[in-house]
Amino acid sequence: ETGVTQSPTHLIKTRGQQVTLRCSSQSGHNTVSWYQQALGQGPQFIFQYYREEENGRGNFPPRFSGLQFPNYSSELNVNALELDDSALYLCASSLDRASSTDTQYFGPGTRLTVL
Amino acid sequence: SQQGEEDPQALSIQEGENATMNCSYKTSINNLQWYRQNSGRGLVHLILIRSNEREKHSGRLRVTLDTSKKSSSLLITASRAADTASYFCATDGAAGNKLTFGGGTRVLVKP
Repeated sequence: ETGVTQSPTHLIKTRGQQVTLRCSSQSGHNTVSWYQQALGQGPQFIFQYYREEENGRGNFPPRFSGLQFPNYSSELNVNALELDDSALYLCASSLDRASSTDTQYFGPGTRLTVL
Repeated sequence: SQQGEEDPQALSIQEGENATMNCSYKTSINNLQWYRQNSGRGLVHLILIRSNEREKHSGRLRVTLDTSKKSSSLLITASRAADTASYFCATDGAAGNKLTFGGGTRVLVKP
């Protein structure tokens, strides 16, 4: 158990809809990163938040957006869902955004299916 | 895009045998990490090796890093059925702790 929780566990949406995924970071961690993992592939970095500000973004379109709250919990929002958005979405919290030796602790993920 | 490529993509061994998997990456790194993932769930951090280190051990795990070849290997000794999982290498570079993952090696340990 990493102390990072995500909700919901599973979600089914239809194309064009919007979805919000939630992540609760490990206590004391001020940095959260979101990753998308398609079936059979490695996770791909979506974006990172540090103290409520976006701190880096991967190669994802603007319809992927996020928020980090004062208690360091976080949301990932995806608008205008496409079939290719079907994936496992993982959040990871860490103590320090800048430290390259800082371990990231992953939550169990949210499985999103877009029909 | 994936930074690293794992080899092999899949591995099947008997309990008690050693499992070796390799990871290659493309750009300079600060460190390289290995993660395990069970049944498509969250990733568990296994070990981190810094770019100035060549070898690191943790329990039954041994990791090597060759920055001149941009490659790393993970060895699991005396494997157990519970080691059945997917294993991913992840690198980070100048952008702090944004991780770039490889495609993973799926390991099946048969009892």
